[in-house]
Amino acid sequence: EVQLQQSGAELVKPGASVKLSCKTSGYTFSNYYMSWLKQMPGQNIEWIGNIYGGNGGTGYNQKFKGKATLTVDKSSSTAYMDLSSLTSEDSAVYFCARVYTTDYFDYWGQGVMVTVSS
Amino acid sequence: DTVLTQSPALAVSPGERVTISCRASESVSTLMHWYQQKPGQQPTLLIYLASNLESGVPARFSGSGSGTDFTLTIDPVEADDTATYYCQQSWNDPNTFGAGTKLELK
Repeated sequence: EVQLQQSGAELVKPGASVKLSCKTSGYTFSNYYMSWLKQMPGQNIEWIGNIYGGNGGTGYNQKFKGKATLTVDKSSSTAYMDLSSLTSEDSAVYFCARVYTTDYFDYWGQGVMVTVSS
Repeated sequence: DTVLTQSPALAVSPGERVTISCRASESVSTLMHWYQQKPGQQPTLLIYLASNLESGVPARFSGSGSGTDFTLTIDPVEADDTATYYCQQSWNDPNTFGAGTKLELK
């Protein structure tokens, strides 16, 4: 069974950074891309970027370049996303999602709430 | 970016048929996908590549369309279908989502 398990909720101060994790199981991590997505409360879903589990190759939505950095640890089948210089606009739920062939998302993590507040 | 426009909300009675529309600002070929999201949960994939039913999804759900106009149909609607439904395109970069259609049951 494919599972994506995300780390717990984060409360961070403005200007700080946070690193989110997405630990996977049930499939060959290195054969798939992983995407990260943002959903602000009651709002649309935005695609942040993706990373290939095999070689760490990345692609980003231009909107999130400089804000998000995606990495992977193949040895633990875990994907990570660093968010930097946080502001209130970064307060949201962040999901990881496995990418299947033509860039749709067949499995999702449970999401992690990031709250930016002093 | 490709803008996907969905009607914001629909209300239907159990047993009825409902169609949820998604219109793209430019062609996305058939690279349109649909998700269901219930409050406090992650989205789940329903339909991929416009008309393909994801494994495990009830056959009450179906999708159609190509180019710029797409529909998700639920027939018949059940109480458990109360949720927000999102379309997502992956033809143009970056891939984008619609704002969602909230389905309520009368």
